[in-house]
Amino acid sequence: AQSVTQLDSHVSVSEGTPVLLRCNYSSSYSPSLFWYVQHPNKGLQLLLKYTSAATLVKGINGFEAEFKKSETSFHLTKPSAHMSDAAEYFCVVSEWSGNTPLVFGKGTRLSVIA
Amino acid sequence: EAGVTQFPSHSVIEKGQTVTLRCDPISGHDNLYWYRRVMGKEIKFLLHFVKESKQDESGMPNNRFLAERTGGTYSTLKVQPAELEDSGVYFCASSQGGQGFNYGYTFGSGTRLTVV
Repeated sequence: AQSVTQLDSHVSVSEGTPVLLRCNYSSSYSPSLFWYVQHPNKGLQLLLKYTSAATLVKGINGFEAEFKKSETSFHLTKPSAHMSDAAEYFCVVSEWSGNTPLVFGKGTRLSVIA
Repeated sequence: EAGVTQFPSHSVIEKGQTVTLRCDPISGHDNLYWYRRVMGKEIKFLLHFVKESKQDESGMPNNRFLAERTGGTYSTLKVQPAELEDSGVYFCASSQGGQGFNYGYTFGSGTRLTVV
């Protein structure tokens, strides 16, 4: 069985400072891992994905995440937060081997302070 | 390319009434998924269509929920009769071929359902 734990329900950062959103996963098989973002009144947008290639994954809007198998982590980072980054972020796991359902974390709400 | 379209965007109904949600996937995407987020909980899988066939409906909560995808194009999700605990945001997603895990899934904006 797969599961995802997002370690913080809410993170607040100042504009221009680094962002770290933490995610740990559990999977019986080689996982695919995703980060999605949801801005208010918008759909879920794919930020980046890991599918067994490079462990450091670069996504859109300057975000990146590193897959660490030994730590079962897939933390999302960004060097410098922008006001437009304020949104809810979801870490998601799926089995690599098939079209299995996505398993979502509870989400982390990111606030960016001017 | 048009994205995944869901409507209505919001629906408020009384307990016991029927509501039908619709999802139009990206053209050519054989895979269509329904997910739901109830208040304060994770987004959870409901079911998965491949074309018009139900591939996996293990997440459907009970028989008050009926999903269809006639002709393998758009899908509807009917809740009949609606209960208070059905309130939440219903998301639809689609992916091409059988490789959603590789290409990623495209989600719609969701339908916010409120049962009063």
